[in-house]
Amino acid sequence: EVQLLESGGGLVQPGGSLRLSCAASGFSFSDYGMNWVRQAPGKGLEWVSYVDSSSITTYYGDSVTGRFTISRDNAKNSLFLQMNSLRDEDTGVFYCTRESRHLDGGGMDVWGQGTTVIVSS
Amino acid sequence: QFVLSQSPSASASLGASVNLSCTLSSGHSGYSVAWLQQRPQKGPRFVMRVTGYGRHSRGDGISDRFSGFNSGAERFLIISSLQSEDEADYYCQAWGAGRRVFGGGTRLTVL
Repeated sequence: EVQLLESGGGLVQPGGSLRLSCAASGFSFSDYGMNWVRQAPGKGLEWVSYVDSSSITTYYGDSVTGRFTISRDNAKNSLFLQMNSLRDEDTGVFYCTRESRHLDGGGMDVWGQGTTVIVSS
Repeated sequence: QFVLSQSPSASASLGASVNLSCTLSSGHSGYSVAWLQQRPQKGPRFVMRVTGYGRHSRGDGISDRFSGFNSGAERFLIISSLQSEDEADYYCQAWGAGRRVFGGGTRLTVL
């Protein structure tokens, strides 16, 4: 079964740091680009960051550039998100997603169950 | 600026059909989108991909009650024979060089 399992969420003070992890199983992790997506309470989905299959290329959303760093370890089938200088508005559920390799293009075709980050003093 | 526009809400009766639309911003009318379903208190799930050239593909395990359609800069998700389990938030998502974009989502109510 194709599965993504996030961990590492929790309560952190503004200005603090947190590292999220995502464990992949059931597919060849090293063949796929991966993303982090977040959802603030009661709000829509917001793309956070992308890394390609070999970690050569990374992209970030405007609101996290310079504060968050995406990385992966293909040997351990794991995706990470290092979050620094956290702000109240970073509060939400963070999802790990797989980028499709379908003939007709991308789209996030596998999603984890999410891990909750709360930034509050 | 790469933007996807969706109506905030839609409703239709049990057993009926509904068309959900996603409009690509100017200059991006050729892009494909992915449609995602998020049921209450659940994580999103990939439903289908709708291209700008008429080829659309459903995700694994997705019912054939879900289909796609494109017209100009619009990408539609069509749900037929609506069931109560279809009540959810639906998001469109696109991808381009250096960026991934989500629409604001449409909340579908099944009456």
